[in-house]
Amino acid sequence: AQSVTQLDSQVPVFEEAPVELRCNYSSSVSVYLFWYVQYPNQGLQLLLKYLSGSTLVESINGFEAEFNKSQTSFHLRKPSVHISDTAEYFCAVSEGDSSYKLIFGSGTRLLVRP
Amino acid sequence: EAQVTQNPRYLITVTGKKLTVTCSQNMNHEYMSWYRQDPGLGLRQIYYSMNVEVTDKGDVPEGYKVSRKEKRNFPLILESPSPNQTSLYFCASSLGYPIGTQYFGPGTRLLVL
Repeated sequence: AQSVTQLDSQVPVFEEAPVELRCNYSSSVSVYLFWYVQYPNQGLQLLLKYLSGSTLVESINGFEAEFNKSQTSFHLRKPSVHISDTAEYFCAVSEGDSSYKLIFGSGTRLLVRP
Repeated sequence: EAQVTQNPRYLITVTGKKLTVTCSQNMNHEYMSWYRQDPGLGLRQIYYSMNVEVTDKGDVPEGYKVSRKEKRNFPLILESPSPNQTSLYFCASSLGYPIGTQYFGPGTRLLVL
């Protein structure tokens, strides 16, 4: 069965430091991969997505994620975080073009300290 | 403005009292979905709809009902709420494939006493 694992429930980091949020998935077929961000008391917003093509995808606010098929991973990175990046981040997977289901990980809370 | 709206945003009710949470989108999206968010569990899909009059169960459908009579609306119905349905609920919509590119509503926080 399809599943998504986010091993870190919380990641504390100092402002301007780099960060990596880990995401691993299990699936026997081709997948689409997504990162969503949830700011306090808000709904989820799509941060970036991998559908096909280049395995490195970027967001407009400096985050990037790399699809690694052999390691079934889609880790999220940012070279220098800001206080405003404090939020909860969810990795999600859907199985290609035939699935109507989006499976979410349990989330990672990124806490950026000054 | 393109958006997904939910009402009410907050709701306190008692066990067994039927309630409906409304969801509406103004983007002419075919796909709509309901999720519940619980600490440590992330988001779990309750029901989804591929189009008008077409719905299917997600991973946690027990205790919930949905309907899709119009393209823009997708209400979530709790016929007999129980305390284990206390949660934060999100509605989302998507134009189509891939369904992962979803637009989320602001959430409805439900407390069942």
